[in-house]
Amino acid sequence: IAGITQAPTSQILAAGRRMTLRCTQDMRHNAMYWYRQDLGLGLRLIHYSNTAGTTGKGEVPDGYSVSRANTDDFPLTLASAVPSQTSVYFCASSDFNLNRGNEQFFGPGTRLTVL
Amino acid sequence: EDQVTQSPEALRLQEGESSSLNCSYTVSGLRGLFWYRQDPGKGPEFLFTLYSAGEEKEKERLKATLTKKESFLHITAPKPEDSATYLCAVQARGSTLGRLYFGRGTQLTVWP
Repeated sequence: IAGITQAPTSQILAAGRRMTLRCTQDMRHNAMYWYRQDLGLGLRLIHYSNTAGTTGKGEVPDGYSVSRANTDDFPLTLASAVPSQTSVYFCASSDFNLNRGNEQFFGPGTRLTVL
Repeated sequence: EDQVTQSPEALRLQEGESSSLNCSYTVSGLRGLFWYRQDPGKGPEFLFTLYSAGEEKEKERLKATLTKKESFLHITAPKPEDSATYLCAVQARGSTLGRLYFGRGTQLTVWP
């Protein structure tokens, strides 16, 4: 069982370039999330999706977009990368239920550097 | 505003020296409190979920407890392989997006 896979593992990108980070889960979870992790700031939610076909904005959505065409995939796109988007990006998924807390399972991360 | 504060930021223990990590939270109704372990260069690894005050969960040398305002992660007789950053997160009742509010973590180092 792979759980959640992310690609690429790391990337160096020139400012202004477009980049898509890939995320795939095989747990058939309904909800998926993108976080960024920065030193001193912890994990912050970028975008989320509670079910295929729907997406929503998290805490820091500016400069990012997502799509959820099916249950398994949740790509994150940076339309025109800027240096402040240098970070480690984590994709997560959960079997989200409104009635009780649901743990999220994280992928291995993508380390992105924008120059 | 919902928020999570973890203390201490860093903790150094000698192997076998038991201690506790603290997670204080402010949330408008708790749906769940979660503990994760994160190793350098890796994604957070789920450890425990706690739902209500008085609840406890155990796994090997780790024990998590919950009160109405804070959670503790007790580490009994730690080993060097317990060295990692431990993250606490809360999920608020009424949240339709399932967002987790994370603390900044406690970096634990256990030396032989």
